Amino acid sequence: AQRVTQPEKLLSVFKGAPVELKCNYSYSGSPELFWYVQYSRQRLQLLLRHISRESIKGFTADLNKGETSFHLKKPFAQEEDSAMYYCALRDSGGSNYKLTFGKGTLLTVNP
Amino acid sequence: KAGVTQTPRYLIKTRGQQVTLSCSPISGHRSVSWYQQTPGQGLQFLFEYFSETQRNKGNFPGRFSGRQFSNSRSEMNVSTLELGDSALYLCASSPGGLHTTQYFGPGTRLLVL
Repeated sequence: AQRVTQPEKLLSVFKGAPVELKCNYSYSGSPELFWYVQYSRQRLQLLLRHISRESIKGFTADLNKGETSFHLKKPFAQEEDSAMYYCALRDSGGSNYKLTFGKGTLLTVNP
Repeated sequence: KAGVTQTPRYLIKTRGQQVTLSCSPISGHRSVSWYQQTPGQGLQFLFEYFSETQRNKGNFPGRFSGRQFSNSRSEMNVSTLELGDSALYLCASSPGGLHTTQYFGPGTRLLVL
């Protein structure tokens, strides 16, 4: 069975401070990891995926297979980063697009 | 391109009734997935359809069913509603193939009284 754990329900930082949202996963197969974000009153949207190895809005995430983690990082948080963040996993070896989500972390960036 | 649309946006039903929710994917997308979102359980996968075939199903009772039409539009049905079915139901579409990003709709909020 696949499982995604986001240990922090709430995370509060000040503007300009570094931020790290933790994500750990449990899966025996070959996972594809994603971070999705939901801003206030907006729909859930993709922030980044590990296979793209890109930086979006200053956020990066590296897949660490040894530690089974996919933490999301940003060196300098902005107020507009305040949102709900979900880590999600998909079986990259399968033909289906089922996503297993973590429970989410609510990030608040204070001025 | 227009985004994923879901109808209705809000729905109130009573226990024992049934409900049908609709999802129109982004034009050209062939995969449609459904998720249930609740404060306690978070986002849980219900099922996925691709080219009118159900490819995967989550751990939900048989009261939850779905289908996909030839134009990729999808519906999900919940029969014999229970109070615990109150949730936000999200639909997501994806082009298919190697492009696995899912694009989510705004959701249908269902309240069961």
